[in-house]
Amino acid sequence: SAVISQKPSRDICQRGTSLTIQCQVDSQVTMMFWYRQQPGQSLTLIATANQGSEATYESGFVIDKFPISRPNLTFSTLTVSNMSPEDSSIYLCSVEDPRGNEQFFGPGTRLTVL
Amino acid sequence: ELKVEQNPLFLSMQEGKNYTIYCNYSTTSDRLYWYRQDPGKSLESLFVLLSNGAVKQEGRLMASLDTKARLSTLHITAAVHDLSATYFCAVDRTSGSRLTFGEGTQLTVNP
Repeated sequence: SAVISQKPSRDICQRGTSLTIQCQVDSQVTMMFWYRQQPGQSLTLIATANQGSEATYESGFVIDKFPISRPNLTFSTLTVSNMSPEDSSIYLCSVEDPRGNEQFFGPGTRLTVL
Repeated sequence: ELKVEQNPLFLSMQEGKNYTIYCNYSTTSDRLYWYRQDPGKSLESLFVLLSNGAVKQEGRLMASLDTKARLSTLHITAAVHDLSATYFCAVDRTSGSRLTFGEGTQLTVNP
């Protein structure tokens, strides 16, 4: 299975600021995704990070708030912009196994916005 | 819009007992996943079910899929304390490997 790392693992930020989260995979993968898990809740897909093109956002999520980069097949970033306390969540990247049968999740970034 | 519902949402059981978690989904899907999440941790992949009638087992956990009924079950046999965690099912939408998650079932196994 793919080994996924995320940086930072956690952060505490002031409202109005932005945070960029990095996701690194130990092998080339086609599909990378970003999810949000609000406190005590399930996971919600934010967007699909497309290599070489703009990310595909799910309903309720917009590029201005969550810009995503995917410069190559092993790396992606998610920025949470102009943060408010409502953005306090765990943000997880996931990748699809190249064989196409499984999805693996990174360790997550726990964000607290004050 | 794809909806995924799990029940129960909270489950407290005694060690040694059996129980089943149910996952219903609203539209056709190619794949269904089960994940485990321990407090403060990320998701651990348990099972991927790819076709109607698929059954997979790992230790005390067994998952099955009925695509006609749009139902998956996660059966726990002779529960032990180490199984205490939150279990999520997730359904792959029909294109692009984008997952829709159920609400999660918080399982507590008591000695």
